[in-house]
Amino acid sequence: EADIYQTPRYLVIGTGKKITLECSQTMGHDKMYWYQQDPGMELHLIHYSYGVNSTEKGDLSSESTVSRIRTEHFPLTLESARPSHTSQYLCASSAIRGSYTEAFFGQGTRLTVV
Amino acid sequence: AQRVTQPEKLLSVFKGAPVELKCNYSYSGSPELFWYVQYSRQRLQLLLRHISRESIKGFTADLNKGETSFHLKKPFAQEEDSAMYYCALRGWGKLQFGAGTQVVVTP
Repeated sequence: EADIYQTPRYLVIGTGKKITLECSQTMGHDKMYWYQQDPGMELHLIHYSYGVNSTEKGDLSSESTVSRIRTEHFPLTLESARPSHTSQYLCASSAIRGSYTEAFFGQGTRLTVV
Repeated sequence: AQRVTQPEKLLSVFKGAPVELKCNYSYSGSPELFWYVQYSRQRLQLLLRHISRESIKGFTADLNKGETSFHLKKPFAQEEDSAMYYCALRGWGKLQFGAGTQVVVTP
């Protein structure tokens, strides 16, 4: 079934560890996004990609990095996790439908750094 | 720079009452505007988009370019409308969201 998947759903990790949040979509979408969202709060765009080998930083400065080697895969990496990175991370993808674009979101990864 | 503003963090209404969620934007070109909704324990999902001028679940939203607004309205709120609502603007390749408005519909 065409969908967008994020793993893990929940992650508790110690300070200083390197982590990678996975995001995969099977919809063939070119555009993908990463958002950071604190509970009940605004979604902040931290990274986006137009397609393979294209990545851009979003509006919120983030110490994370992303890569887009394959169309369907857009992982986010933190080289050294800190408690300030504790948040929910949402991945999304979009394509063109007619004259507008609709974004589809994953379930999210809730990250806790202790 | 593009910006989306939702001035209300929380709207509490009674069932059957009208509800209006405000959204204002700033963007130098022709924006694509959307309303997304997140029900409890569900994914963020598209509710409606300005270009289709449709009514979804009784909600409508009109783009007012003069006032740079895209307010979401429903004449009679239902309990199942309780959720977090986000206004979003797509421009220059980015999909940017407002801060969100929590809607609580009480019986």
